[in-house]
Formats: sequence, C-alpha cells, structure tokens
Amino acid sequence: AQSVSQHNHHVILSEAASLELGCNYSYGGTVNLFWYVQYPGQHLQLLLKYFSGDPLVKGIKGFEAEFIKSKFSFNLRKPSVQWSDTAEYFCAVNPNNAGNMLTFGGGTRLMVKP
Amino acid sequence: NAGVTQTPKFRILKIGQSMTLQCAQDMNHNYMYWYRQDPGMGLKLIYYSVGAGITDKGEVPNGYNVSRSTTEDFPLRLELAAPSQTSVYFCASSARGNTEAFFGQGTRLTVV
Repeated sequence: AQSVSQHNHHVILSEAASLELGCNYSYGGTVNLFWYVQYPGQHLQLLLKYFSGDPLVKGIKGFEAEFIKSKFSFNLRKPSVQWSDTAEYFCAVNPNNAGNMLTFGGGTRLMVKP
Repeated sequence: NAGVTQTPKFRILKIGQSMTLQCAQDMNHNYMYWYRQDPGMGLKLIYYSVGAGITDKGEVPNGYNVSRSTTEDFPLRLELAAPSQTSVYFCASSARGNTEAFFGQGTRLTVV
C-alpha cells in the first residue's frame, strides 16, 4: 500500500534558523505532491504543490519544496523561520491513477522559539 | 465566500450515543471527503464522495456512515460512539480534475 513518511515528528528551532522537513513516499508512478500547514486551532491550508515541471516549487510565506524523483522525496524548506511559522506541517501525495485521493504523512510539529 | 463549513466545532458524546457531523461547501466541488486526525498519525480518509448520490469507503470507515444527497452537503454519521472515535474530524472538498483539497475548520469529538 502507498505510504507517506515524515521522519521528523517534532522540530524545535530558534527564529532565523533554516528549516528542512523530510517527506518520502512509496508510490512508484506519477504523483502530485502537496504540503499543507495547520496553525494552532485552525484548519489545514495549502502551502505549495507540485504537479509537473520545475521540481523546485515556491509556496506562500517563503516556503519552497524540491521534488527528487529518484529519492521519492518532496522535502520542505525555508531559509529563515519566524515565530509565526509554529504549526504542524503535513506532506500529502496523490497518485495520478487514484482520482483525487490524498494520502497524508503523519505530520511534523514545528515550534519556533522567539 | 465560506468555503467548507463544518458544524459543530466541539462535541462530547457518551459511549453508545449517535450524532451527525455536518459539512457543507459552496464551491460547487464534485469531490468531498471526511478525514480523522489523530496525534502523530496524520489524516486518515474515512469516506469520500465523487458526486451527489455516490459515496465510497476510505481507509478507516468502520463505525461511520455517510450520505451525499446534494453537491453541497456531505454529513458523517456515528451510530454507536466508541472511545476509539475520539478524534478531530475534517471535511474537505476538491474540484473534478484538481487534486487541491480545501478543508473545513474541523470538529473535535470526545467520546467518554
């Protein structure tokens, strides 16, 4: 069965530190890839998505992610985090032959210390 | 533009009680979903619908039922609440041919 792995469950950073959150998936075919963010007490919001083309995608709030097909990875990065980035981050995968279904990773809870 | 609206936001149920979680979207999306979110487990798909009158099971459907009589509404029914159903429930929708999902605010359910 297809799975999505986020290896970092909890990350604590100081403001201005760089961030990289890992995401790996097990599906071997063509996929659409997403990162969602959930701020405390709020619903999930889309950060960025990859469907095709340039494997380096830019999202909102200075986030970016790189799709590396050979590694089945879609890691999220931000050069300098802010306290307001404290949230839970979810990677999600949609195989092209699975309709609109998304499979989510377990999430990474990020805390940024001011 | 309301997007996806879920009610209630919070609910406490006793074991064996039943309830319906409401979900409505005003984006004319064909696809709607119900997920449950448990700590460290991400989101698991309970049921989904690809259009009015069509529903199908997701990864964790046991103990739940759904219906989709209109494009806008996709209620989730718990018939006999169990402690294992304590979770945060999210409804989402997406347009046909577009896998970006839009989420509601969530319903935090506690079964005691």
